[in-house]
Amino acid sequence: AQSVTQPDIHITVSEGASLELRCNYSYGATPYLFWYVQSPGQGLQLLLKYFSGDTLVQGIKGFEAEFKRSQSSFNLRKPSVHWSDAAEYFCAVDNYGQNFVFGPGTRLSVLP
Amino acid sequence: DTAVSQTPKYLVTQMGNDKSIKCEQNLGHDTMYWYKQDSKKFLKIMFSYNNKELIINETVPNRFSPKSPDKAHLNLHINSLELGDSAVYFCASSQVMAGADSPLHFGNGTRLTVT
Repeated sequence: AQSVTQPDIHITVSEGASLELRCNYSYGATPYLFWYVQSPGQGLQLLLKYFSGDTLVQGIKGFEAEFKRSQSSFNLRKPSVHWSDAAEYFCAVDNYGQNFVFGPGTRLSVLP
Repeated sequence: DTAVSQTPKYLVTQMGNDKSIKCEQNLGHDTMYWYKQDSKKFLKIMFSYNNKELIINETVPNRFSPKSPDKAHLNLHINSLELGDSAVYFCASSQVMAGADSPLHFGNGTRLTVT
């Protein structure tokens, strides 16, 4: 079955530490891939996207993500987390126009 | 100059009532969506419209009826509200139906509480 998984429900990191949020998808071909962030009480904001070309994509707020076809993964990274990064993060795929499918989300907490 | 705006932000109502949520986008996008986010933050698409035409209608009870008077507006009307309808409802838009250059732009959500 086609799906998007985010294995980590909740991650806690210290401010200044590095971060990696995992995302895996199961589709026949490489879909378009996205990461969104949702701050408390807010809508979702696009962090970055991948559709082809360089497998390492840069986004806003210092985030980057790497597409690995062999692992069907699109993990999100940030070298140094800030307290304001505490939020819910969603990986999503655009299944060639069928619709956007979101993963279950990973909640990030940041310790001072 | 809000891109996707939805009203109201909060909606508290009793079971059995009928309510509407309005959404407007000023991005010139062709496609609009309604998503439901449950208490566990899981996002599920409900409907999508492309140029006022219904494209996606997931398995949503027919108590939910979307209406798109023009491509900048997509409203959601809910009849006979039930406790299980309590959730956050997000409106979103995209330039076209598909493509990586057509990501979703979200409103800030409407938190519906049915008592």
